[in-house]
Amino acid sequence: GDSVTQMEGPVTLSEEAFLTINCTYTATGYPSLFWYVQYPGEGLQLLLKATKADDKGSNKGFEATYRKETTSFHLEKGSVQVSDSAVYFCALSEGGGADGLTFGKGTHLIIQP
Amino acid sequence: ETGVTQTPRHLVMGMTNKKSLKCEQHLGHNAMYWYKQSAKKPLELMFVYSLEERVENNSVPSRFSPECPNSSHLFLHLHTLQPEDSALYLCASSQFISGSLNEQFFGPGTRLTVL
Repeated sequence: GDSVTQMEGPVTLSEEAFLTINCTYTATGYPSLFWYVQYPGEGLQLLLKATKADDKGSNKGFEATYRKETTSFHLEKGSVQVSDSAVYFCALSEGGGADGLTFGKGTHLIIQP
Repeated sequence: ETGVTQTPRHLVMGMTNKKSLKCEQHLGHNAMYWYKQSAKKPLELMFVYSLEERVENNSVPSRFSPECPNSSHLFLHLHTLQPEDSALYLCASSQFISGSLNEQFFGPGTRLTVL
C-alpha cells in the first residue's frame, strides 16, 4: 500500500536558519503530493501541493519539488521565523477520487528566537 | 461560519457513555472524511463519504458509527469506547471531481478523552 516517511522531530532551529524537512513516499501510481501544517490547538492547513513530476509547490516562503526519480517531496524554507513553529505533515493522494490522504507521522518544528 | 467547523472542541466521556461528534462544512463540497490523530502515529483515515454515500471504511471498530445526512454535515457516533480511543478526531471535506486534485480542508478537531 501507499506510505509516506518523513523525518521525525522535534527539529529545533534558530530564527533565520535554513529549513529542510525530508519526505519520501511509496505509491503504486502517480500521486499528488501535499504539505500540511498544524499550529498548536488547530486543525491541519494546506501549505502547498504538487500534482506531477518536477512541479514545485510554494507558499509563504516554503517550497517543495516533486521528484519522481527519488520519490521525494522535501520541504524547504530559506529563513525560518518563530511563527513557523508547528507540526508539518507530508501527504499523498492517489487518483482523483474522493480518496483519503495518506499521511506521514509529522515533524514537529521549533524555531527559537 | 466559514470553512470546516467541528463541535465540541473537547469531550471527556466514560466507557459506557454515548456521544456524538459533529462536523459541518461551509465550502459547498461533496465529500467528507473522518480522521483519527493519535500521538506518535500518522493520521488514520476512518471514513469517507462522497455524495452522501459511504465509500470507504478502513476497518474501524463498530463502536464508531458515522452518519452523513446531507453534503454539509457529518457525524461520528460513539458508544462503549476504550481508553485507547482517546485522540484528536479531525473532519475534512473536499470537492470530488473525477480526475481532479483531491485537496482536503480540515476542521480544528475534537479532542476526545475516554476515561
